[in-house]
Amino acid sequence: QKEVEQDPGPLSVPEGAIVSLNCTYSNSAFQYFMWYRQYSRKGPELLMYTYSSGNKEDGRFTAQVDKSSKYISLFIRDSQPSDSATYLCAMIESGQNFVFGPGTRLSVLP
Amino acid sequence: DAGVIQSPRHEVTEMGQEVTLRCKPISGHDYLFWYRQTMMRGLELLIYFNNNVPIDDSGMPEDRFSAKMPNASFSTLKIQPSEPRDSAVYFCASSKLAGFTGTQYFGPGTRLLVL
Repeated sequence: QKEVEQDPGPLSVPEGAIVSLNCTYSNSAFQYFMWYRQYSRKGPELLMYTYSSGNKEDGRFTAQVDKSSKYISLFIRDSQPSDSATYLCAMIESGQNFVFGPGTRLSVLP
Repeated sequence: DAGVIQSPRHEVTEMGQEVTLRCKPISGHDYLFWYRQTMMRGLELLIYFNNNVPIDDSGMPEDRFSAKMPNASFSTLKIQPSEPRDSAVYFCASSKLAGFTGTQYFGPGTRLLVL
């Protein structure tokens, strides 16, 4: 079993839809949780960063962490074609063991 | 700021040749990371430096890989000898503080193809 699992997609949605991207993990010692966005042929860029269980909102993006279920989500409201990218979750165990998920490819169709 | 700079952007080489990838981190950043990304394995952390000192190289696949950071503004990742399975996109990233909890800024990557 991989430490971090993520549905690889591709996921296609119409413009304006709500998108839900999810990751599950097996290591209960992970403390920090991040979502990165990676456009084609570019490096990843950090979108959201959370430490504790609960929700964190930033504009159209909401990151949700449920440590008891070892499950994190990223919600995108009013999705736009410019949101089309690969989304990678990442998590850290206390300054070590930094792990990325395999990524979910998202296409938002105009 | 120009962001993290990597060179070359593309590299095609033959099996057995030495490959050197270069990275210039963002000025003032204390941490530098090297990653490898493939379709099969996703994004993998190879090694990271703090203040030019290698801290964790447990992700380096084997002795054919080596990384150096001679000063705060330059790092290299070397593969010698290269093999076809090394074909991937190699990213360098830098971070200002507490690298794992701070925002990492990624470079554009080097696409390596080993024939």
